[in-house]
Amino acid sequence: EVRLVQSGAEVKEPGESLKISCKASGYPFSSYWIAWVRQMPGKGLEWMGMIYPGNSDTRHSPAFQGQVTMLVDKSITTAYLQLSSLKASDTAMYYCARVGPGTGYQFDNWGQGTLVTVSS
Amino acid sequence: QSVLTQPPSASGTPGQRVTISCSGSSSNIGSHTVNWYQQLPGTAPKLLIYSNNQWASGVPDRFSGSKSGTSASLAISGLQSEDEGDYYCAAWDGRLSGPVFGGGTKLTVL
Repeated sequence: EVRLVQSGAEVKEPGESLKISCKASGYPFSSYWIAWVRQMPGKGLEWMGMIYPGNSDTRHSPAFQGQVTMLVDKSITTAYLQLSSLKASDTAMYYCARVGPGTGYQFDNWGQGTLVTVSS
Repeated sequence: QSVLTQPPSASGTPGQRVTISCSGSSSNIGSHTVNWYQQLPGTAPKLLIYSNNQWASGVPDRFSGSKSGTSASLAISGLQSEDEGDYYCAAWDGRLSGPVFGGGTKLTVL
């Protein structure tokens, strides 16, 4: 069974940094892209970027280029999303998702989400 | 403003059939396949339909997807109360070089 388990909720102050983890299991971790999706309170889904664990190749949404860093540690089948210089507008739920096989870029398995609150 | 356009809301009574539309352009729906996601209240999104009309694992055939030109639609037949939630379409966008989502449609079962 494919599982993506994310780290717990975080409360941060403006200007701080944050690293969210996404632990994958149940499939060959190196062979599937991992995507990151943001959902601001009461809003829709936004693709932030994705990383291929096999070689750490990354693709960023233009809206998030330079704002986030995506990493993987293959030894523990875990992907990370790093956010720096946090602002109140970074308050959101962040999801990791596996990009399924084929060319449709469907997100076929999702983590449970990590709620990030940025407040002074 | 989302790249793909969905109606903000849809509704129906139990047992009815409802459809949710998704409009795009030649750079996304017009040249790439469409995926649909269901997000029930307080939960993570779940893949419903991929490659325009293929059921994701475990999805009942009450849900169906179709695509024509630069538009797509999700149909839900035999509407049930547990279908209440948000539905999102998505497709790869060749101009943006990444997947794009619709703004989401909130489905209410009356």
